[in-house]
Amino acid sequence: EIVMTQSPATLSVSPGERATLSCRASQSVSSNLAWYQQKPGQAPRLLIYGASTRATGIPARFSGSGSGTEFTLTISSLQSEDFAVYYCQQYNNWPPLTFGQGTKVEIK
Amino acid sequence: EVQLVESGGGLVQPGGSLRLSCAASGFTFSSYSMNWVRQAPGKGLEWVSYISSSSSTIYYADSVKGRFTISRDNAKNSLYLQMNSLRAEDTAVYYCARDDNYEDYWGQGTLVTVSS
Repeated sequence: EIVMTQSPATLSVSPGERATLSCRASQSVSSNLAWYQQKPGQAPRLLIYGASTRATGIPARFSGSGSGTEFTLTISSLQSEDFAVYYCQQYNNWPPLTFGQGTKVEIK
Repeated sequence: EVQLVESGGGLVQPGGSLRLSCAASGFTFSSYSMNWVRQAPGKGLEWVSYISSSSSTIYYADSVKGRFTISRDNAKNSLYLQMNSLRAEDTAVYYCARDDNYEDYWGQGTLVTVSS
């Protein structure tokens, strides 16, 4: 089973600032990595797939990078609606599909 | 517009059973694989089960293998999860999600609480 590890657990950022979230896989997942955003009481929403491709309707301030075992989600200028929990997920080697434990982006 | 609507959650005693449903609309359901993903209160996301478009391939997480059964009815645009021998640790919001390798659309979830 591929273990996904996200850091940090919590990121405190001021509105308008840049946020950088990390995700590490226990073995290579190539570029088969997705990022999801989840707000309280809501379902997860797909942000990024293929490590760097934005899903339909996702603003350009969200960008993904990386391949192999190291991945990054960058939010270039945080808006109020971006404060949420973010999960990475690998779909390269499954079952099982595995998710990271999440990074909570909170208002500083 | 793609819509996934789960139902069937509720309170059940340990050892009991529950059947979840997911009604799909806005896309050709029979062309897509589907997943169930759950989230325990205050915790992260855990994949539960996968079914291919024709039901020919099915996978389960080890934590539910032998207790849960995934199925689908393409004529009814519906996905199901039969959950037997429920345990306290199965308490979670259960989401159905459309599979396009990654999970591109999710339902709003249905809460399953296992407690005496």
